[in-house]
Amino acid sequence: GAVVSQHPSWVICKSGTSVKIECRSLDFQATTMFWYRQFPKQSLMLMATSNEGSKATYEQGVEKDKFLINHASLTLSTLTVTSAHPEDSSFYICSARASYRNEQFFGPGTRLTVL
Amino acid sequence: AQSVSQHNHHVILSEAASLELGCNYSYGGTVNLFWYVQYPGQHLQLLLKYFSGDPLVKGIKGFEAEFIKSKFSFNLRKPSVQWSDTAEYFCAVKGWNRDDKIIFGKGTRLHILP
Repeated sequence: GAVVSQHPSWVICKSGTSVKIECRSLDFQATTMFWYRQFPKQSLMLMATSNEGSKATYEQGVEKDKFLINHASLTLSTLTVTSAHPEDSSFYICSARASYRNEQFFGPGTRLTVL
Repeated sequence: AQSVSQHNHHVILSEAASLELGCNYSYGGTVNLFWYVQYPGQHLQLLLKYFSGDPLVKGIKGFEAEFIKSKFSFNLRKPSVQWSDTAEYFCAVKGWNRDDKIIFGKGTRLHILP
């Protein structure tokens, strides 16, 4: 089946620093990738949708200058949390959709802790 | 507004008990429905999905779900649970268009006692 990986799986950083999270589709080309945020005991909330080679579309309330998304290739998307603060601590999950299938495949998630 | 409601936040069952997790949705138009499972420390996996046809959908690991259009429901069932079913279960809905977004419920944490 289609596999999506994320790196790192967990990261701890100091307040004010930037953190980059990578999302890769390992065995398929993903024309569209999605970034979600999951708070404890809550649902996955879509942050943004990115299509390869174009700017990401952010959901209402998500700061695009804080959460920078780059989808430079058909197998890689990155989420950079800029000037991270403790309230950005969360579980970030990416998802990828193949060009030939109307189905999303999810990565294992990245747990971000900002001190 | 588009939404998914999962009735139970936390369910505890003994092995061999029967399971039913409730899911109701609010969405205008034709829908695709999903149940995802997230085992401890692992990523979201698709358990089963309904696109069209037979409203009773069978998924992996003995799970099934029934789409009842009149009730806007898509409840997940398993006749006899196992300890390995301990996980978090998410119901989700999506429109028919490719670019429609998946909307997730808040999840139900299932704990199976050995």
